[in-house]
Amino acid sequence: DQQVKQNSPSLSVQEGRISILNCDYTNSMFDYFLWYKKYPAEGPTFLISISSIKDKNEDGRFTVFLNKSAKHLSLHIVPSQPGDSAVYFCAATPFPGGSEKLVFGKGTKLTVNP
Amino acid sequence: DTAVSQTPKYLVTQMGNDKSIKCEQNLGHDTMYWYKQDSKKFLKIMFSYNNKELIINETVPNRFSPKSPDKAHLNLHINSLELGDSAVYFCASSQGITGAFFGQGTRLTVV
Repeated sequence: DQQVKQNSPSLSVQEGRISILNCDYTNSMFDYFLWYKKYPAEGPTFLISISSIKDKNEDGRFTVFLNKSAKHLSLHIVPSQPGDSAVYFCAATPFPGGSEKLVFGKGTKLTVNP
Repeated sequence: DTAVSQTPKYLVTQMGNDKSIKCEQNLGHDTMYWYKQDSKKFLKIMFSYNNKELIINETVPNRFSPKSPDKAHLNLHINSLELGDSAVYFCASSQGITGAFFGQGTRLTVV
């Protein structure tokens, strides 16, 4: 029972282009969403989050969009850089700070080619 | 200076053994967690713990037990290890509304 789904296991883009990573969720109780980035042999690193009261949150090259009616969010990286190559996990929780209830997707492996 | 550190990074052990993984955080966070990333790459929470409450994921076998000697440490003890326990285990901590900070992971292999 996957409550958070990342249907693309991998994505490959050229340096300088936009990377779009998608995430869908099924649990309507989720109200706070996070993206984590993970390099090999390291733990996930928090990247950006969004509350359900917003539909967009931006931090430098990273923007997260939330479509609550469609239960869909996406992470945009513009411009993509080779150092962005990593696995990106989408996560959701019923409320901000509810890390004990974080539910993760399976991740999408992003490769940015020079 | 590592925020969340866990040791060992790799652990290979035989079935039936008892082992521990240590975790320390220097962020002053109130809550610590253990996550398991299985062979299908799912990251699933096992425990969350602060000085008031231990929340256990009901799917976690009771062979797994967290032990917290103080607020900065949450160790994971595993008794009678089984082949299916092979996975990467991540410790994490958080405070308030911040996203959780993760350690680098411990790859456990049971042979």
